[in-house]
Amino acid sequence: KAGVTQTPRYLIKTRGQQVTLSCSPISGHRSVSWYQQTPGQGLQFLFEYFSETQRNKGNFPGRFSGRQFSNSRSEMNVSTLELGDSALYLCASSLTGIGLSPLHFGNGTRLTVT
Amino acid sequence: AQKVTQAQTEISVVEKEDVTLDCVYETRDTTYYLFWYKQPPSGELVFLIRRNSFDEQNEISGRYSWNFQKSTSSFNFTITASQVVDSAVYVCALSEAQSGGCNYNLTFGKGTLLTVNP
Repeated sequence: KAGVTQTPRYLIKTRGQQVTLSCSPISGHRSVSWYQQTPGQGLQFLFEYFSETQRNKGNFPGRFSGRQFSNSRSEMNVSTLELGDSALYLCASSLTGIGLSPLHFGNGTRLTVT
Repeated sequence: AQKVTQAQTEISVVEKEDVTLDCVYETRDTTYYLFWYKQPPSGELVFLIRRNSFDEQNEISGRYSWNFQKSTSSFNFTITASQVVDSAVYVCALSEAQSGGCNYNLTFGKGTLLTVNP
């Protein structure tokens, strides 16, 4: 079974630009969730999508948004990039959702904002 | 508000030593879930264990064992006879249901970097 796939692996953007990250979950998983990981804050939950609907949301500004398609693939968008958005962005999929079932993580997208 | 504290930022041991990684959590709910994940240098987080709040039974899986104590709000992880391949960041997480059943808050600890030296 293929694992969670995130693209691209690395991104370099400048302040003010926007960026879209992509995540393909494990086949059969309907929940896709997104996380930001930084050395100072560790892992922080951004949001979760389940069957194309946002089901849970962390405490991030509206510049961070996402969506899920009918095939469960998900995208995350960050608009008006700030230097502090530089981080490793991880996507995870699970069978029933973030609260109950184990998360299966991708390798992440390393975003650098200059 | 829920919170997860992993007080040990970094631990360094020599191969074959036993090591315990601490995880202390705060929650007001009686129903919650605790998780441990391993993040090796390659970066991909790997699920290790899930425990619900009603199951205080300790668990052993090979060289890994987990001690869940509600009285002290702790969910500690012990590696017996550590090996170099155990070197990784270990992250503890807490999931707490919000009203409605399908909504959860998920909070992670900041992780403990374990280095096992040969």
